[in-house]
Amino acid sequence: TQLLEQSPQFLSIQEGENLTVYCNSSSVFSSLQWYRQEPGEGPVLLVTVVTGGEVKKLKRLTFQFGDARKDSSLHITAAQPGDTGLYLCAGDDNQGGKLIFGQGTELSVKP
Amino acid sequence: DSGVTQTPKHLITATGQRVTLRCSPRSGDLSVYWYQQSLDQGLQFLIQYYNGEERAKGNILERFSAQQFPDLHSELNLSSLELGDSALYFCASSTGVTGIQNIQYFGAGTRLSVL
Repeated sequence: TQLLEQSPQFLSIQEGENLTVYCNSSSVFSSLQWYRQEPGEGPVLLVTVVTGGEVKKLKRLTFQFGDARKDSSLHITAAQPGDTGLYLCAGDDNQGGKLIFGQGTELSVKP
Repeated sequence: DSGVTQTPKHLITATGQRVTLRCSPRSGDLSVYWYQQSLDQGLQFLIQYYNGEERAKGNILERFSAQQFPDLHSELNLSSLELGDSALYFCASSTGVTGIQNIQYFGAGTRLSVL
């Protein structure tokens, strides 16, 4: 069974701090997607990474896909209260399309 | 707005009942996925349809079934409901099933409460 281990599970920081969320697996994924979800809403796609070693930047968010396509990280610089939410990584196992989701990182950024 | 529409947004029902959740994918998307999200299990894949055909099944209970219609909308049917079926049910759609075509966009979900 393919698993995605996401860490940390909870993160509470002050506005202006930096943070990194990790997503690790022993399996290779053809692509990996990062989502942000707010309570009672559906996951909203932030980015998709497909190439080993790929780095993508989205304003203050930097996403990296590991060289072996087994792991990924999300780094947020100068976090703001608006970044608060549940961050989910999801891997495409290339066996038909379903996504394997990590358990999520609950981020709280306090003003 | 992801372009994926799910109805209803909330459902409250009793144990033993049957409900139908509906999903309209983004325009042009052929693939529809159903996921269940509960507090202790996270987001779990249930079933996938591609252009009207079932393509993959996850840990979907036998009491649950789904279909995708010719106009590509999909319905998830949950029967003989139990308390443990209370969860958020999400539909997602993508253009295809592999690589860059498998970027999935999620609807806002249906919150099912079984009392």
